[in-house]
Amino acid sequence: GNSVTQMEGPVTLSEEAFLTINCTYTATGYPSLFWYVQYPGEGLQLLLKATKADDKGSNKGFEATYRKETTSFHLEKGSVQVSDSAVYFCALRQGAQKLVFGQGTRLTINP
Amino acid sequence: DAGVIQSPRHEVTEMGQEVTLRCKPISGHDYLFWYRQTMMRGLELLIYFNNNVPIDDSGMPEDRFSAKMPNASFSTLKIQPSEPRDSAVYFCASSFARLDYEQYFGPGTRLTVT
Repeated sequence: GNSVTQMEGPVTLSEEAFLTINCTYTATGYPSLFWYVQYPGEGLQLLLKATKADDKGSNKGFEATYRKETTSFHLEKGSVQVSDSAVYFCALRQGAQKLVFGQGTRLTINP
Repeated sequence: DAGVIQSPRHEVTEMGQEVTLRCKPISGHDYLFWYRQTMMRGLELLIYFNNNVPIDDSGMPEDRFSAKMPNASFSTLKIQPSEPRDSAVYFCASSFARLDYEQYFGPGTRLTVT
């Protein structure tokens, strides 16, 4: 079945550091790929998405490129801020409505 | 728009009691989803509805769980009887086919069963 694997956290960085959170997936066909962010005490919010190979999703300085050859969708940001501290989820959706989530990566940014 | 509304935000109950979680989706959305989030299992889809009709309930853990959507603006997830292993955060989300099915999540209900 479809699955998503994220790098294990927690991840702790200093402000202005470069961020990468790895995500790989297993799926038949060509799923849509997503990154969601969950701030403390809140529900998940869509951060960015990509619907086909080589697409790059971007939002709020975050980027991720749909790499079919490596079945990956790694999240990157060039300079993180304290306000980026949250839990990040990689997810895929194929065909029907069901989103399949990775286990989440907790990110803490220290000033 | 107020977004997806869930109530209560926190629920503490004793084992064996009935628990009802409530969700009001975003007006006009035609899909509604119930998820459960735990440390051990992460985020799991329990059930989803399209136009108030249950489409896939394969994620519902057992017969103690039931979900209904009597109209387009309201859904419930009921656990009867509740058990300590049901302790989790339960999220409701809604989406609209014409907006590329993007799912909008509510703030969640944190359930603790003692």
